[in-house]
Amino acid sequence: GAGVSQSPSNKVTEKGKDVELRCDPISGHTALYWYRQSLGQGLEFLIYFQGNSAPDKSGLPSDRFSAERTGGSVSTLTIQRTQQEDSAVYLCASSSPFVAPETQYFGPGTRLLVL
Amino acid sequence: KQEVTQIPAALSVPEGENLVLNCSFTDSAIYNLQWFRQDPGKGLTSLLLIQSSQREQTSGRLNASLDKSSGRSTLYIAASQPGDSATYLCALFGGSNYKLTFGKGTLLTVNP
Repeated sequence: GAGVSQSPSNKVTEKGKDVELRCDPISGHTALYWYRQSLGQGLEFLIYFQGNSAPDKSGLPSDRFSAERTGGSVSTLTIQRTQQEDSAVYLCASSSPFVAPETQYFGPGTRLLVL
Repeated sequence: KQEVTQIPAALSVPEGENLVLNCSFTDSAIYNLQWFRQDPGKGLTSLLLIQSSQREQTSGRLNASLDKSSGRSTLYIAASQPGDSATYLCALFGGSNYKLTFGKGTLLTVNP
């Protein structure tokens, strides 16, 4: 596609429910990143994929958070048993190491509200 | 651990003014530095990227500088316009771990 797309654009859920957020990176981009933007906290790194592997999961806040990537393309971020503090904008980015300088291109984000 | 600070947190100026946004960082071992723009309810748009070997980059009315030795970067916006109103984010790429470390941003309002 022309850019990084994310779905849904908005999600409202009840505390304790599971949610899945989807990211479609730019075609051909091998690297994919998830970030979270919370009110007053700024943007924080969650996880990085190179192909289907996640060499850096250091930013995942708890074991309720998991992510996977299939076919070197689409990625899903799953939050189990959501809590109110999970409310934030979840941003996905992709990049290609074959294009210098390597720049991360961001999607529009998914706005998650946990009631 | 890299820490990125942006000053001011918010800035309001009249149209036509030249302005400077500041970004400071604690670890000078960076691969590159990027300035992003974020409009309300939108994702991030990359404005300028400065590689660690460079001192500055220019695009139209925007000029970004990088001084690794002092841990500082500035984004200069010339002849500001109401359409420049947005949040401006500074982000550092460390290279080895592939993640961007962001500042909290400067909310810019340009008044007509």
